[in-house]
Amino acid sequence: KAGVTQTPRYLIKTRGQQVTLSCSPISGHRSVSWYQQTPGQGLQFLFEYFSETQRNKGNFPGRFSGRQFSNSRSEMNVSTLELGDSALYLCASSLLVWAGGVNTDTQYFGPGTRLTVL
Amino acid sequence: GESVGLHLPTLSVQEGDNSIINCAYSNSASDYFIWYKQESGKGPQFIIDIRSNMDKRQGQRVTVLLNKTVKHLSLQIAATQPGDSAVYFCAEIGGSNYKLTFGKGTLLTVNP
Repeated sequence: KAGVTQTPRYLIKTRGQQVTLSCSPISGHRSVSWYQQTPGQGLQFLFEYFSETQRNKGNFPGRFSGRQFSNSRSEMNVSTLELGDSALYLCASSLLVWAGGVNTDTQYFGPGTRLTVL
Repeated sequence: GESVGLHLPTLSVQEGDNSIINCAYSNSASDYFIWYKQESGKGPQFIIDIRSNMDKRQGQRVTVLLNKTVKHLSLQIAATQPGDSAVYFCAEIGGSNYKLTFGKGTLLTVNP
């Protein structure tokens, strides 16, 4: 079974631009969560989608948004990019709604998209 | 405020030794804890988890200990191998909104 895939793997943008990242979960998984990882802040939870609905959200500004399609694939969008948005963006999939350990289903992470904002 | 922190940013051990990675948390409402391993260029990989109604859980070569009295979590790796070299970080979930908080990470280096 193929793992979580993310595209693109690397991306360079300039301030003020917007970017869309894509995540394809493991086949059969219906939950996709997004995370931002930086050296300074570590891993931070962005949001989780399940059955095309946002189920949980972290403390990020409205510039960060996402959506999930009927095939469970998910996209994350960041508008009006800032230098501080440079990070590794990770997505993770799970079979069920993960939303904070309500169940014991394991999350499987993708390799991430490295975004650099110049 | 709520935080999850690691006592040591780096840990260097000899192959075959046991490793202990520590994590402190401050949210007494946290009821679920996870340890992840992240190798260079890869996403985090689930290692082991533990719920707040337990104080110990064992996996293959790994043991997680939870001390709720002092809000401390540890990951023990037995017979550490070079393939265990990675960044390890803990995560906690707690509060009414099940907020997920990650620690900064500890770099484990295994010397042959």
